[in-house]
Amino acid sequence: QKEVEQDPGPLSVPEGAIVSLNCTYSNSAFQYFMWYRQYSRKGPELLMYTYSSGNKEDGRFTAQVDKSSKYISLFIRDSQPSDSATYLCAMSASNNNDMRFGAGTRLTVKP
Amino acid sequence: GAVVSQHPSRVICKSGTSVKIECRSLDFQATTMFWYRQFPKKSLMLMATSNEGSKATYEQGVEKDKFLINHASLTLSTLTVTSAHPEDSSFYICSARPLKGTEGDTQYFGPGTRLTVL
Repeated sequence: QKEVEQDPGPLSVPEGAIVSLNCTYSNSAFQYFMWYRQYSRKGPELLMYTYSSGNKEDGRFTAQVDKSSKYISLFIRDSQPSDSATYLCAMSASNNNDMRFGAGTRLTVKP
Repeated sequence: GAVVSQHPSRVICKSGTSVKIECRSLDFQATTMFWYRQFPKKSLMLMATSNEGSKATYEQGVEKDKFLINHASLTLSTLTVTSAHPEDSSFYICSARPLKGTEGDTQYFGPGTRLTVL
């Protein structure tokens, strides 16, 4: 079993839809949870950063962490074509020296 | 803030040559920098962790004599691919972790370097 599981997609939605991206993990020591967005042939860009359980909202993006279920989610409201990218979840136990990434989900938002 | 640059962005070289890639944190200091490799439509694979002033820690299966890492200062790390071969062709991405208490406990990524070995 991989430490971090993420459905690679691809996921295609119409503009304006709510997008739900998810990851599951097996290491209960993970405390730091991140979502990165990566456009084609570019480096990942940090979108959301959450410590421990709970929700965090930033504009159209909401990150949720459920440590009891070892499940994290990223919601994108009112999705736009510019949101089309690969979304990577990442997590670590402490200080990010052992960050583990999901496989990334390719998202396409169609106009 | 939290900008990381990489140079070059793209390099094409002949088999057998060595290629150096620079990673710089432009507006923060980083005690730790990371080097990743990414194949098309695949996730990031950590190659090594680089700490300023000390030897890099390599992940299992990564040849340290082939991928030389130097972390000379708090804002610069270099990766040298020695005697490159076509199978080394890939997208190399660095990231930098800010000093604790400055930008938070996370990593900021560079834009990546696409290496093509002919």
